[in-house]
Amino acid sequence: QSVLTQPPSVSEAPRQRVTISCSGSSSNIGNNAVNWYQQLPGKAPKLLIYYDDLLPSGVSDRFSGSKSGTSASLAISGLQSEDEADYYCAAWDDSLNGLVFGGGTKLTVL
Amino acid sequence: QITLKESGPTLVKPTQTLTLTCTFSGFSLSTSGVGVGWIRQPPGKALEWLALIYWNDDKRYSPSLKSRLTITKDTSKNQVVLTMTNMDPVDTATYYCAHRLEMATNVPFDYWGQGTLVTVSS
Repeated sequence: QSVLTQPPSVSEAPRQRVTISCSGSSSNIGNNAVNWYQQLPGKAPKLLIYYDDLLPSGVSDRFSGSKSGTSASLAISGLQSEDEADYYCAAWDDSLNGLVFGGGTKLTVL
Repeated sequence: QITLKESGPTLVKPTQTLTLTCTFSGFSLSTSGVGVGWIRQPPGKALEWLALIYWNDDKRYSPSLKSRLTITKDTSKNQVVLTMTNMDPVDTATYYCAHRLEMATNVPFDYWGQGTLVTVSS
């Protein structure tokens, strides 16, 4: 069981918008930045969002991140088939003194 | 251009010690703030952080695995080595190494290696 809680799966039609939630606590999301990673099938994870809501160079602006209290969200607009992947949130946990990941969310584009 | 590549055995027996090497280019582990971490992913499961080492030899370990892990660096060879003792079949996973630009806890892993699959079986 992961310290950060994500829905196992989400699905939406092409060109629509989907959000993926990441729920934590005051020792992780509530006090530290959230980073999001995209993992395409059979590939290594790739940094998608950092410091809650910043996009690395080269990442499409269809992706956005937000945080409120002890929860964070990843939004993907204008869904494309190439967005089908697993998405992971991550944050440092002050109580555990370590980095924690969410359980991952599999996105299916219908 | 930053690249990282993991290497090591693909198969280890239970109770053996696993030694993995991360060989990188495009940055130096003697540069202030820079770090390299290890993350693993059992087949079909989530990512799990294992360990971090920084330019100044500061080391951090997953609390649940700390007793079994050792991370070291060889700056001259641009390598980071992770050892994990007493391997068990539940340790079967793809092991990734990744780059961290700064030492602060919020900093993400911005570059990842391709990963190496390690199977633990007798």
